[in-house]
Formats: sequence, structure tokens, C-alpha cells
Amino acid sequence: DAKTTQPNSMESNEEEPVHLPCNHSTISGTDYIHWYRQLPSQGPEYVIHGLTSNVNNRMASLAIAEDRKSSTLILHRATLRDAAVYYCILRDDLVGNKLVFGAGTILRVKS
Amino acid sequence: DAGVTQSPTHLIKTRGQQVTLRCSPKSGHDTVSWYQQALGQGPQFIFQYYEEEERQRGNFPDRFSGHQFPNYSSELNVNALLLGDSALYLCASSRDRITEAFFGQGTRLTVV
Repeated sequence: DAKTTQPNSMESNEEEPVHLPCNHSTISGTDYIHWYRQLPSQGPEYVIHGLTSNVNNRMASLAIAEDRKSSTLILHRATLRDAAVYYCILRDDLVGNKLVFGAGTILRVKS
Repeated sequence: DAGVTQSPTHLIKTRGQQVTLRCSPKSGHDTVSWYQQALGQGPQFIFQYYEEEERQRGNFPDRFSGHQFPNYSSELNVNALLLGDSALYLCASSRDRITEAFFGQGTRLTVV
């Protein structure tokens, strides 16, 4: 299973943008980059995913480096509700739906 | 839409006992996966069921087994419970080969 590296924790101020980095130097050509987050006392929640191009949805944006060895999850305006553990996951979507979670990044949002 | 529902929410068992956890997938989903999450760690994949068959399995012993029913609901069974089996057990459902997995709130199992 391909590995990802994320900072243990990050802190942000409310209403400001947050950039959560993820390194995945051993990514293969068929690996998609997925982001999930887990709020306290809840199951993980899908955020966004992409293959090569940058992606946007109502929750966040995903910026993928040209060589695909790193990516950044962007929350455009952090709210207190965004405080969670964010997981960056590589998955070969041609093989199956198994998700391999690392330790993730704990995001703290200050008011 | 009720989403993914798991029962029970909390459970306390004694070492050596057996436990069954249940999961109802989101409407329209036919694939169910189970994960174990120890305190302070990310979820670890146990196995995945599709069309009532185990399709993928993680690095868990045979004490962990499962079942999927014709209505796509699923059970996770753990035999001969160990103290180390204490964890949050998460169920996730998805459409086969469709990306987004939906997780339930989990079952908190405590083995004493």
C-alpha cells in the first residue's frame, strides 16, 4: 500500500484559509489521492479526491503537484466545525475500495 | 436517507467472549467494509463484503469474521476476545467501484 506523510498537527484561525500538505513520493500512476476527515466522536467523512488535475467541491479544493508526489488540501475559510483529523490516502481505484489510513493531521481552529 | 447505521453504539464484553456487531449500509450501496480504530490511531481495514462474499481482507486474524446478507446489511463477529480488541469498530458502505465511502458512527467495544 502506498504511503503518505502528513504533519502531526496544524493550527488555524477561524475565517482564514488552511493548507494541509501531504507527501506521497511513491505514488503510482493509477493511485488516486483521497482526503477524509474525522470529527470528534464521529466516523470519517469523505472530503475530496483527484488523480492529476486540481479539484474543487463545496467543502474544499485539492491542489496536486505536477509530478504528483505531493498534494495540498485547501479549506478556503476555516470554521470551528472544521476542527478534525484529516487523512490523506492513496488508493488504486482500479483494484478496490479499501482505504489505508495513516495517522493524519490534527487541525485545530482558534476563534 | 438514514445513512450508515451501526448497532449497538457501545458494548462491554469479557475477555474470551464472542461479539457480533451490525451494520446497515446507506440506501443504494452494495459494498460494506469494516475498520478497527484504536484510540489515537487511524482506522485499520479489516475486510470488505460485496455480493455476500468477502472480497478483500486486511491483516487481521481468523477470529475476525463477517457476513453480508441479501439486503446488503452486514455483521462483524469477533471470537475469543482479547483486551487488545478494545476499539471503535467502523462500518463503511459504498457502491462498488464508486469512490465515496460513507461511514457510520461506529460501535465502541470495551473488553475487560
